[in-house]
Amino acid sequence: DAGITQSPRHKVTETGTPVTLRCHQTENHRYMYWYRQDPGHGLRLIHYSYGVKDTDKGEVSDGYSVSRSKTEDFLLTLESATSSQTSVYFCAISESGGIPNQPQHFGDGTRLSIL
Amino acid sequence: AQSVAQPEDQVNVAEGNPLTVKCTYSVSGNPYLFWYVQYPNRGLQFLLKYITGDNLVKGSYGFEAEFNKSQTSFHLKKPSALVSDSALYFCAVRPRSGGYNKLIFGAGTRLAVHP
Repeated sequence: DAGITQSPRHKVTETGTPVTLRCHQTENHRYMYWYRQDPGHGLRLIHYSYGVKDTDKGEVSDGYSVSRSKTEDFLLTLESATSSQTSVYFCAISESGGIPNQPQHFGDGTRLSIL
Repeated sequence: AQSVAQPEDQVNVAEGNPLTVKCTYSVSGNPYLFWYVQYPNRGLQFLLKYITGDNLVKGSYGFEAEFNKSQTSFHLKKPSALVSDSALYFCAVRPRSGGYNKLIFGAGTRLAVHP
């Protein structure tokens, strides 16, 4: 398995509170991604990073921000959590963004419940 | 809009019988195609990919997939199902344009293999 650790694995919090999820990789891969998984939607890309301090938005980025200060860490922040952000969040990594022979590898997810 | 369809929410099959999990896509050009599997409380695991070449692609755990360009389909198959194959399966498509390994996921198909 690819060396990807997501923390926390489970979190319950209240509406309006800030939440930060962490993704840590030991593979030294350049690209990192945050997805959310919801029933009936598969996985949808929130944000991605193509290097330290280089990030961009995905298809469902509203309400989320990210930061990448080191190659190995990619943080996802919900500035003010809402119930619609209750989901399972997955981090993924890939060695390159443009070479399809290198598939994305996924962490085990963070289950986030916002009450 | 680009999309991936997995028309069956669930597929039921008896152990030892062949299985097929269907995937069709609406993505311009000749995209790259992937299958991932997800076991409970785990992240997605890469199964196989189609980049170019033979229309029948072999992957992990005895799975294979058949690419059909005219039907824009990429169906996952296995000649003899195992109970341990029971899991959630995702088809994903990567457009050839774009440099950040953008994946478009289907909603997923739950495979249930009965003894």
